[in-house]
Amino acid sequence: DGGITQSPKYLFRKEGQNVTLSCEQNLNHDAMYWYRQDPGQGLRLIYYSQIVNDFQKGDIAEGYSVSREKKESFPLTVTSAQKNPTAFYLCASSTRDRNGSPLHFGNGTRLTVT
Amino acid sequence: GNSVTQMEGPVTLSEEAFLTINCTYTATGYPSLFWYVQYPGEGLQLLLKATKADDKGSNKGFEATYRKETTSFHLEKGSVQVSDSAVYFCALSSTGNQFYFGTGTSLTVIP
Repeated sequence: DGGITQSPKYLFRKEGQNVTLSCEQNLNHDAMYWYRQDPGQGLRLIYYSQIVNDFQKGDIAEGYSVSREKKESFPLTVTSAQKNPTAFYLCASSTRDRNGSPLHFGNGTRLTVT
Repeated sequence: GNSVTQMEGPVTLSEEAFLTINCTYTATGYPSLFWYVQYPGEGLQLLLKATKADDKGSNKGFEATYRKETTSFHLEKGSVQVSDSAVYFCALSSTGNQFYFGTGTSLTVIP
């Protein structure tokens, strides 16, 4: 079955360390997205990519970096510059070729930084 | 600009009660509208969608109608079950594959 795989499900890091969250999709989607979700809050867009080797900052890109070297993969690095990195991170993808195509989400990675 | 406003929660209902979660939007052009559901510890799942005015999306007993005149996409279900307890998000997509989400409405259904 096609889908989006995020790994790991839980991640623990010490303050000051960079950490990379994995996101892989086999839906053949061009567009991929990273969102952050804090308790009781909505989704905030970190970065998105409409095509391989290109990506754009979202609303809260500071302290994060991404790469898009392959269509299937869109890893997110949470750097030590991110002031409050503890959150639930969601990766999503979408096709670009049809109006009304929805986002497909992975099951998320919960990052805890202490 | 584009934005989505949805009903504040939390909402608590008894089993078999009628559910409405209000959603209104602001958008340029002709957006597509979506409802997503999120169960604890999981990602968002698409519940239903509508791509043009007067379209009705439906799935698992949930319905929402795209109302251009009132810029609304309210979610309804005639008889909720305990298993419907989750957080519901209204969203829109605009040209350029940009998505905008509401803040989510938490629903708890008690037996």
